[in-house]
Amino acid sequence: AQKITQTQPGMFVQEKEAVTLDCTYDTSDPSYGLFWYKQPSSGEMIFLIYQGSYDQQNATEGRYSLNFQKARKSANLVISASQLGDSAMYFCAMRGSAGDNYGQNFVFGPGTRLSVLP
Amino acid sequence: EPEVTQTPSHQVTQMGQEVILRCVPISNHLYFYWYRQILGQKVEFLVSFYNNEISEKSEIFDDQFSVERPDGSNFTLKIRSTKLEDSAMYFCASSVGSGSSYEQYFGPGTRLTVT
Repeated sequence: AQKITQTQPGMFVQEKEAVTLDCTYDTSDPSYGLFWYKQPSSGEMIFLIYQGSYDQQNATEGRYSLNFQKARKSANLVISASQLGDSAMYFCAMRGSAGDNYGQNFVFGPGTRLSVLP
Repeated sequence: EPEVTQTPSHQVTQMGQEVILRCVPISNHLYFYWYRQILGQKVEFLVSFYNNEISEKSEIFDDQFSVERPDGSNFTLKIRSTKLEDSAMYFCASSVGSGSSYEQYFGPGTRLTVT
């Protein structure tokens, strides 16, 4: 079974500083995708960044980058130059290959609540 | 930019009543999903739908739940005989493909409150 662990229930960061949100995963699927979503207090889920299991390079998307360490099964999200608007819940999610064994759905971690301090 | 829409944004219902949550996925997407998030908890998968049938469902998705694509645009989640523990945010999502690289686009959610 697939599982996502986010060990930091809450994090604080000073505005303009960088912050790393941890995510580790467990899967026996050789092909999988890792996603990060942001959920502000308004409740919607906003896609941030994607990393494929076969990608050689770490994904980057603006101020977001993903520190992918496949051997350690970790996919940490790095937010550079934090802004007040980054305060939100952040979810790491994994999706396996479509098929009988692994399905198509996302498995989400419990989330990390990030608070950016002025 | 195309987006997934959901109605209503908030639904209040009495225990035992039936509710229908509505979603309009992105028009060229073929795969549809429902997820549930109980307040303060993680997002949980309920069901995936493709080619007019359920392709996968979780343990949560029991006989109380059903999904339907009544026309070419809407995707609905019906909850029969609601219980207090059904109170949650319900997210609809859609994707172009089913492989591991395909992002799922989430709607804004429907907050269901069962009293």
